[in-house]
Amino acid sequence: ETGVTQTPRHLVMGMTNKKSLKCEQHLGHNAMYWYKQSAKKPLELMFVYNFKEQTENNSVPSRFSPECPNSSHLFLHLHTLQPEDSALYLCASSQDISDYGYTFGSGTRLTVV
Amino acid sequence: AQSVTQLGSHVSVSEGALVLLRCNYSSSVPPYLFWYVQYPNQGLQLLLKYTTGATLVKGINGFEAEFKKSETSFHLTKPSAHMSDAAEYFCAVTRADSSYKLIFGSGTRLLVRP
Repeated sequence: ETGVTQTPRHLVMGMTNKKSLKCEQHLGHNAMYWYKQSAKKPLELMFVYNFKEQTENNSVPSRFSPECPNSSHLFLHLHTLQPEDSALYLCASSQDISDYGYTFGSGTRLTVV
Repeated sequence: AQSVTQLGSHVSVSEGALVLLRCNYSSSVPPYLFWYVQYPNQGLQLLLKYTTGATLVKGINGFEAEFKKSETSFHLTKPSAHMSDAAEYFCAVTRADSSYKLIFGSGTRLLVRP
């Protein structure tokens, strides 16, 4: 148990579906992150939240919509995705955005068909 | 802008042999440098980090890395590989001027032969 829990672990969705990824941490951290990990590519930072406020949107397409209702929970809402969006989506948290000792979840393996 | 280059997408060593994973960075200001490890079906785990002070940094599981400013390198080493070290290793860099973007390399997969 890493302290950051992501659900579901695996998700298969059609291009017209709407689904959500969930991330939860009870480490008392105030910053949360979404990363995309594709095969043979570096991890890509998608979104950053600090004290529930979005501080970074790394030019992510609007078909990905993040939500951070409180410092312990982070969601990634998905709609009308493309096959190239298939990847491992990793959530991470840290004490705040100046703390780089991130704690990562195990990820959600997303397949878009 | 910062960037990270990890030489070798795959490194194979025998059990008990030296592990050397290479990382070079590019940064216009003093960097903070990190190594993370990812075991199969898991998220990333922080191995060690360099921010300021001693350039030789010791981490978990017997790994260490040395910050060499003149070579813009932060290579990861372990004197004796263990089968349990088989995983993917990521080098990462950020700026020491309060920028909070952590930039990751492409990763190096370490294979340990019996």
